Amino acid sequence: DAKTTQPNSMESNEEEPVHLPCNHSTISGTDYIHWYRQLPSQGPEYVIHGLTSNVNNRMASLAIAEDRKSSTLILHRATLRDAAVYYCILRDLNYGGSQGNLIFGKGTKLSVKP
Amino acid sequence: EPEVTQTPSHQVTQMGQEVILRCVPISNHLYFYWYRQILGQKVEFLVSFYNNEISEKSEIFDDQFSVERPDGSNFTLKIRSTKLEDSAMYFCASRVTPSVNTQYFGPGTRLTVL
Repeated sequence: DAKTTQPNSMESNEEEPVHLPCNHSTISGTDYIHWYRQLPSQGPEYVIHGLTSNVNNRMASLAIAEDRKSSTLILHRATLRDAAVYYCILRDLNYGGSQGNLIFGKGTKLSVKP
Repeated sequence: EPEVTQTPSHQVTQMGQEVILRCVPISNHLYFYWYRQILGQKVEFLVSFYNNEISEKSEIFDDQFSVERPDGSNFTLKIRSTKLEDSAMYFCASRVTPSVNTQYFGPGTRLTVL
């Protein structure tokens, strides 16, 4: 599986936008980009995923570079509840069948200041 | 909104004892997973389960571990003879389709082996 690189930590102020970067220079053409987050003392939570085009949902936006070698998770207005570890995970479209286990890295720990 | 549930939330056991961790996945989901997270470390994949059989397992998932879906709703992880190093949070996850790898995680069971 292609590797991802994320900053260890980031800080944000409440109600400001946050851009969480992820580099994946060895991404293959069939790799989906997934983002999950883990709030303190909770299980991981799905945030968003995409393949080539930018994606929006109620939680966040995902901006994918044209060459797909990097992506950015955008939280439009950070709240205190968004303080979590954010994981960028690649998973092959063709490997999503009966297996499809997620491989978590260390992620980015986001702190949100009031 | 449907969610994955896990019981118990905390299990304390003596080394060498058997434990069973229980999960109720989301009802129409077909793919089931166990992950674990040792305190302060990454989330690690243990096993995936589909169509009543194990589809993939990691090196961690040795002969001491087993999984079962006994009644069509519960999904269990059994550790036959617990070791101190089995102390961790154990997360169950489920997923509905083979095509998109969006997994829904439970809140976890904290296993403490004394």
